[in-house]
Amino acid sequence: EVQLLESGGGLVQPGGSLRLSCESSGFRFSSFAMSWVRQAPGKGLEWVSGVRGNGGSTDYADSVKGRFTISRDDSKNTLYMQMNSLRAEDTAVYYCARGVSPTRILYLDYWGQGTLVTVSS
Amino acid sequence: QSVLTQPPSVSAAPGQKVTISCSGSSSNIGNHYVSWYQQLPGTAPKLLIYDNNNRPSGIPDRFSGSKSGTSATLGITGLQSGDEAHYYCETWDSSLSAGVFGGGTKLTVL
Repeated sequence: EVQLLESGGGLVQPGGSLRLSCESSGFRFSSFAMSWVRQAPGKGLEWVSGVRGNGGSTDYADSVKGRFTISRDDSKNTLYMQMNSLRAEDTAVYYCARGVSPTRILYLDYWGQGTLVTVSS
Repeated sequence: QSVLTQPPSVSAAPGQKVTISCSGSSSNIGNHYVSWYQQLPGTAPKLLIYDNNNRPSGIPDRFSGSKSGTSATLGITGLQSGDEAHYYCETWDSSLSAGVFGGGTKLTVL
């Protein structure tokens, strides 16, 4: 059974940093692209970033480019998101999700339960 | 404001059919596959349609997808109360080099 478990969310002050993790199980992690998608309170979904499988490339939404860094450790079956220079508008539930192939960072067939990031002083 | 435009809300009676539109441009829908997701209250999104008109295993054939030019449509027939949810379209945008979601549509089953 495919499982994705996010962690690392919490309350952080504006300008601060957080590192989110997404532990996976039930599939060959290295063979799949992965993405982070966020949802601000009461708002819609926003794609944040994706990393392709097998040591592939990364992409970012303009809203986080230069501040967030996505990475993966295939030996640990874990996806990460390093978030720096956090702003109030980054407050959201962050979901990790699996792409259906090594190259497709969209078409997300499995999702975690999400972790809440709150940026506030 | 999303580059993909969806109606904020749609509604229909149980057993009826509803369609949800997703309008974009040549940099996104016009040249890339579209996926659709269902998000029930308090839960993570669930994939309903991929590659414009394909259903993952386990998704009933009451759900269908189509694409024409720079627009895509999700259709739901035989509406049930359990279909009340938010629905989102998603695709790639070549100009942004990023994934994009529509703003979401809330479906109410009257």
